[in-house]
Amino acid sequence: GAGVSQSPSNKVTEKGKDVELRCDPISGHTALYWYRQSLGQGLEFLIYFQGNSAPDKSGLPSDRFSAERTGGSVSTLTIQRTQQEDSAVYLCASSLRGGQGNGYTFGSGTRLTVV
Amino acid sequence: TQLLEQSPQFLSIQEGENLTVYCNSSSVFSSLQWYRQEPGEGPVLLVTVVTGGEVKKLKRLTFQFGDARKDSSLHITAAQPGDTGLYLCAGSRTGFKTIFGAGTRLFVKA
Repeated sequence: GAGVSQSPSNKVTEKGKDVELRCDPISGHTALYWYRQSLGQGLEFLIYFQGNSAPDKSGLPSDRFSAERTGGSVSTLTIQRTQQEDSAVYLCASSLRGGQGNGYTFGSGTRLTVV
Repeated sequence: TQLLEQSPQFLSIQEGENLTVYCNSSSVFSSLQWYRQEPGEGPVLLVTVVTGGEVKKLKRLTFQFGDARKDSSLHITAAQPGDTGLYLCAGSRTGFKTIFGAGTRLFVKA
């Protein structure tokens, strides 16, 4: 597509439930990134994909968080047994190639609220 | 630990005023980006600077990369209400993940 698409745009879930967040990057972009942004804060790095591999997953906060990417395209971020502190906006970005520092194209994010 | 510190954290000014926001680090970056983020949207890339001392202009916005490539500034001339938003700087180093500052929230009053 023309831009990075994320779904759902909003998700309210009960504490303890699992959630899946989806990201469709720009076609042809080999690098894909997940960031988390808490209210009024900057962006916290979660994980980076180059193709279907994740060379850097150092930002995942706990083993409740996992992500995968298939076909070098769509990525899914899964949070198991959600906690209230997981509430945030989850942003996905893509770039033509990774590690080049050329800037990212971001999606509009998924606002996750855990109640 | 790499950190990018932005200042000020919050800025409220009248339309027509000039302003400068700063992005500082103790680390050297191979490139630095500035983004603007509006409520409910993801950050949008404004500019990438790669050379120490580089100055780039985008209409009323002037971006400068420090000579040592550790810091950057964004200057806005004659601010307009449409400039309102969260301005984020991000630093990249080859082989390392890009890190973001906490942002400067700008509000321009008409």
